[in-house]
Amino acid sequence: AQSVTQLDSHVSVSEGTPVLLRCNYSSSYSPSLFWYVQHPNKGLQLLLKYTSAATLVKGINGFEAEFKKSETSFHLTKPSAHMSDAAEYFCVVSVGQGGKLIFGQGTELSVKP
Amino acid sequence: DAGVIQSPRHEVTEMGQEVTLRCKPISGHNSLFWYRQTMMRGLELLIYFNNNVPIDDSGMPEDRFSAKMPNASFSTLKIQPSEPRDSAVYFCASSSYLGQGGETQYFGPGTRLLVL
Repeated sequence: AQSVTQLDSHVSVSEGTPVLLRCNYSSSYSPSLFWYVQHPNKGLQLLLKYTSAATLVKGINGFEAEFKKSETSFHLTKPSAHMSDAAEYFCVVSVGQGGKLIFGQGTELSVKP
Repeated sequence: DAGVIQSPRHEVTEMGQEVTLRCKPISGHNSLFWYRQTMMRGLELLIYFNNNVPIDDSGMPEDRFSAKMPNASFSTLKIQPSEPRDSAVYFCASSSYLGQGGETQYFGPGTRLLVL
């Protein structure tokens, strides 16, 4: 069965330092993977998406993620954190052909001045 | 495009009352998803529709929950009777289903439900 595991429930960084949010997936076939962001009291916004094309995927707001099949990982990174990046981030895998998504438990990112 | 529209944005009701949540998907999208988000259980898929037909309702917690999609531009999620444990944020999402999987879902702002 397909699943995702976000390895950290909370990550805290200082403004201007790199961000790393870790995600491992489990899938019996080549998966489609997503990162979504949720700001407080807001809906979910797509950051980026991997669908078996280039393994390094660039998203909005300077975020990118690398698909590593050998490690079953899809970690999210950003070179320099901004205060506005403080939010909850979800790693997501697509299941089957119906478009159903399975969400990780989320990682809350805090950015200190 | 206005994006996915949900109403109401906030709902406070008393236990036992009927609650109806509404969703208007993005025009042209043919898949619609209802999710529930709680602190304890995170984001859970309740039900989804393709071309107005319910495909998978295995996430609907019990018979008190029902969902309909009478046409391509409107869906409802109904809870009758409501209970305090139904308090959560309910999200609607839509996508353009191409039969390949991996389609991007676009989320509405959510309805924050509180059952007293």
